[in-house]
Amino acid sequence: DVVMTQSPLSLPVTLGQPASISCRASQSLLYIDGNTYLNWFHHRPGQSPRRLIHKVSNRDSGVPDRFSGSGSGTDFTLKISRVEAEDVGVYYCMQGTYLPLTFGGGTKVEIK
Amino acid sequence: QVQLVQSGAEVKKPGSSVKVSCKASGGSFSGFAFSWVRLAPGQGLEWMGGIIPVYDRVNYAPNFQGRVTITADVSTSTAHMELRSLRSEDSGVYYCARDRGIMVRGEFDSWGQGTLVSVSS
Repeated sequence: DVVMTQSPLSLPVTLGQPASISCRASQSLLYIDGNTYLNWFHHRPGQSPRRLIHKVSNRDSGVPDRFSGSGSGTDFTLKISRVEAEDVGVYYCMQGTYLPLTFGGGTKVEIK
Repeated sequence: QVQLVQSGAEVKKPGSSVKVSCKASGGSFSGFAFSWVRLAPGQGLEWMGGIIPVYDRVNYAPNFQGRVTITADVSTSTAHMELRSLRSEDSGVYYCARDRGIMVRGEFDSWGQGTLVSVSS
């Protein structure tokens, strides 16, 4: 199975400041079709998870442009340019290149 | 925009089984893959398995293989997940999620509201 390792585990941030979450895969996520199936999800307590980014850097409809995804191969990053109060919660990366699908352990973002 | 509506909360005894349903409305069912994801207390999201209804093809995560069965009924646009031999560690919230396309890729663009399963003697 592909192991997804996220860091940090916890990320206290100041409102208006940037934040960055790292995600590393145990093997390259580049698929034979040329796509890299790396997704980012945001999960607030009591709500269903929400996809933010698919295929490394494609932001979903309705996702603010302060969120951006980057990376390739085994190393990926989710950045929030200016954190807002609604951004708190747990962020997960997830790979879809190989079965079984696997999530990173999650990064809890909280406001300082 | 598709909406996924899951069945209600369940309380189960250890050793029993639970079956959770996920009905899709407002969009195509057979043209997409569906997965089940668990969130256990103090844990992260965990993929349990996925199904491609139009091919009736199912894949399971190794951690659940042998204990879980995922099915889909195209006629009612409903996916089901049955988990057997329940233990206390199976308590948590179970989500169904629809993939962006027909393959199981984890590009979940729609999620059910979650079903709380409590396993206790």
